[in-house]
Amino acid sequence: DVKVTQSSRYLVKRTGEKVFLECVQDMDHENMFWYRQDPGLGLRLIYFSYDVKMKEKGDIPEGYSVSREKKERFSLILESASTNQTSMYLCASSSGETYNEQFFGPGTRLTVL
Amino acid sequence: GQNIDQPTEMTATEGAIVQINCTYQTSGFNGLFWYQQHAGEAPTFLSYNVLDGLEEKGRFSSFLSRSKGYSYLLLKELQMKDSASYLCAVLDSNYQLIWGAGTKLIIKP
Repeated sequence: DVKVTQSSRYLVKRTGEKVFLECVQDMDHENMFWYRQDPGLGLRLIYFSYDVKMKEKGDIPEGYSVSREKKERFSLILESASTNQTSMYLCASSSGETYNEQFFGPGTRLTVL
Repeated sequence: GQNIDQPTEMTATEGAIVQINCTYQTSGFNGLFWYQQHAGEAPTFLSYNVLDGLEEKGRFSSFLSRSKGYSYLLLKELQMKDSASYLCAVLDSNYQLIWGAGTKLIIKP
């Protein structure tokens, strides 16, 4: 079974803090994604990566950065957390072609106070 | 702009059949996905349609009409465990996934 894990299920941070969200997948997938999910809105893509050290901006990259130093790990960084970044963050991975299904991690519910 | 529309919430009875609709307007089309997401859990893949027609997978079927920009997910013999949100997502011309807000399905005994 494909497994995508995220470092925390729940996280509470203060405004201005630097926040690291880690995602690890164990199926040697080339593609990895970071989304945020908010009530009443569809999943919104923050960043994605098709290869090690490669990153592409998604629809809402402002205020975020990412790092992919190893194939299995994709990190999302909030440089200076703000209250409007309170959300559920979902990591996903997929293999090969973009029409392949994405496998999601359990999510991190981040609250910024 | 790109848009995916699904009903916000639907209610159905255990043992019955329910159809969840999804209409889309996107820049190009390279396939449509349905995912299931139980409350507090990760989305899981249900189906992928790229050609017109109905694809059946057990109690779940997914239909696509590209000319109408329309898809539906059909769930038969509903069980309580089918209570979840169902997410429709379209792969656009840039191979980016555009997600709908999801349909929350409530199953009543």
